Amino acid sequence: EAGVVQSPRYKIIEKKQPVAFWCNPISGHNTLYWYLQNLGQGPELLIRYENEEAVDDSQLPKDRFSAERLKGVDSTLKIQPAELGDSAVYLCASSLNQGNKAFFGQGTRLTVV
Amino acid sequence: GENVEQHPSTLSVQEGDSAVIKCTYSDSASNYFPWYKQELGKGPQLIIDIRSNVGEKKDQRIAVTLNKTAKHFSLHITETQPEDSAVYFCAARQTGANNLFFGTGTRLTVIP
Repeated sequence: EAGVVQSPRYKIIEKKQPVAFWCNPISGHNTLYWYLQNLGQGPELLIRYENEEAVDDSQLPKDRFSAERLKGVDSTLKIQPAELGDSAVYLCASSLNQGNKAFFGQGTRLTVV
Repeated sequence: GENVEQHPSTLSVQEGDSAVIKCTYSDSASNYFPWYKQELGKGPQLIIDIRSNVGEKKDQRIAVTLNKTAKHFSLHITETQPEDSAVYFCAARQTGANNLFFGTGTRLTVIP
């Protein structure tokens, strides 16, 4: 069974430019998460989807970050415009539904210069 | 929200020795405690988890213990091998919620 797939693996952009990350969760997983991981820190939740509904986006900086999961499967996370402080690893995870084990993708390492 | 503290931040052991990583949590409503292993350049990999109705769980060389009264849980790795070298994260999830709160990680180095 394929795991959580994220792309791209690495992205380098100039500040003020837009960037988008893509995530394909494990087949059949209804819950999808986007986490932010700063260097030397544990992951922190940005947004959680139950199917296509964003049920927890309290930590998402909505002035520049947006996310969507239109058909309840794949998801994209966008930053516009990117700032230097956005340099981090962006992790996607999925679980079968609420209360189940969460599995992570490889992450996208973003560098803003 | 939940606050998870993890110690130590770095740990070096000789191959074959045991390693113990400890975490504390703040919210007594938390009922699920997974441990993740993260190798360089990879995403966190779930290695073991425990729910609050259980005090201990083992899977081969890995075990987790939970003390609900003291609100702490620990990861135990026995007979460590060089491939155990990685960063380990503990996490906690509250009852009725679905967000994992992570510790700050422990970098484990197993010296051959």
